[in-house]
Amino acid sequence: DQQVKQNSPSLSVQEGRISILNCDYTNSMFDYFLWYKKYPAEGPTFLISISSIKDKNEDGRFTVFLNKSAKHLSLHIVPSQPGDSAVYFCAASGVGGTSYGKLTFGQGTILTVHP
Amino acid sequence: NAGVTQTPKFQVLKTGQSMTLQCAQDMNHNSMYWYRQDPGMGLRLIYYSASEGTTDKGEVPNGYNVSRLNKREFSLRLESAAPSQTSVYFCASSESDEAPLHFGNGTRLTVT
Repeated sequence: DQQVKQNSPSLSVQEGRISILNCDYTNSMFDYFLWYKKYPAEGPTFLISISSIKDKNEDGRFTVFLNKSAKHLSLHIVPSQPGDSAVYFCAASGVGGTSYGKLTFGQGTILTVHP
Repeated sequence: NAGVTQTPKFQVLKTGQSMTLQCAQDMNHNSMYWYRQDPGMGLRLIYYSASEGTTDKGEVPNGYNVSRLNKREFSLRLESAAPSQTSVYFCASSESDEAPLHFGNGTRLTVT
């Protein structure tokens, strides 16, 4: 029972264009959502987060959008750079007021940005 | 600043052997976590420790034990390894319940 799903295993974009990574969740009790980025042989690193009381959060080239009615969130990277090539994980937490560190992760999407 | 340090980086065990995965953080964080990553499944929480002296089960705790030795260190023990425990194990820490996690670089464990 996958509560957080990233249905696109991979995405390929050209440098300078927009990358859009998608994530769907099934548990309406999640109230905090995060994106992590992972390079090979390294641990995930935190990228950006959004609380369920918001529908958008921006940090430089990265913007996360949350659509609660559709139980969908997306990460936009504009403009995409070759250094953005990595695996991107969507994660959710906060069910029943539990620790926000108890994350439920999606399967990940491999982003490749071509020069 | 080392952040979260995991040892060893790689380990091969035979079925039934035991081992302890070590994790230490130097950021004075209160909360620490153990996750495992399997192909196609994302990361899953094994155990976590909200503060020194406390531990609690996550999503997949069976076959594991943990020790929060002090504020810096949180170890994960496999008493009798099984092939199903072949995975990449990540330790993480956070300043508080509401802060993002900082991950170590992982331990790749193979059980034959």
